[in-house]
Amino acid sequence: KAGVTQTPRYLIKTRGQQVTLSCSPISGHRSVSWYQQTPGQGLQFLFEYFSETQRNKGNFPGRFSGRQFSNSRSEMNVSTLELGDSALYLCASSTGGSEKLFFGSGTQLSVL
Amino acid sequence: GEDVEQSLFLSVREGDSSVINCTYTDSSSTYLYWYKQEPGAGLQLLTYIFSNMDMKQDQRLTVLLNKKDKHLSLRIADTQTGDSAIYFCAEIFSGNTGKLIFGQGTTLQVKP
Repeated sequence: KAGVTQTPRYLIKTRGQQVTLSCSPISGHRSVSWYQQTPGQGLQFLFEYFSETQRNKGNFPGRFSGRQFSNSRSEMNVSTLELGDSALYLCASSTGGSEKLFFGSGTQLSVL
Repeated sequence: GEDVEQSLFLSVREGDSSVINCTYTDSSSTYLYWYKQEPGAGLQLLTYIFSNMDMKQDQRLTVLLNKKDKHLSLRIADTQTGDSAIYFCAEIFSGNTGKLIFGQGTTLQVKP
């Protein structure tokens, strides 16, 4: 069974641009969660989608948004990028309960 | 409140046992997890324990949960150089789908 797939692996953007990250969950998983990892703040929860609906949300500004498609694939968008958005963005998938969450390898975003 | 604390660094000799500790402040968590992160990689789920359990063993890994003291530990028997990584403990609350609360991570250094 394929794991959680995130694309692209690396991204370099400049301030003010926007970016879209993609996450394909494990086959059969309907829940996708997104996290931001930085050296200063650690791992922080962005949001969770289940069956194309945002079910849970963390404390990030509205510049961070997401969506989920009918095949459970999810995208995350960050608009008007700031230097502080430089981070490793991780997504995790699960069947939809609160048991095992499996993570992808992440997308390393650098904002210059 | 949501807060998970870990010591930042642990160094052991190859073949010794490693014990990584974690404390949390909210006793209403449902599951507690241990994840491993190697350089440049995502998070690998090592093991998890339901909050009504005291102990769980899985090959070289032993998880102990003391709910009274809100203390979680991960013991790695016969530690190998390949175990060198950052270890994160995390908790999740009932109904708070997809939202793991992570500690800061413990860097485990295994010396040959």
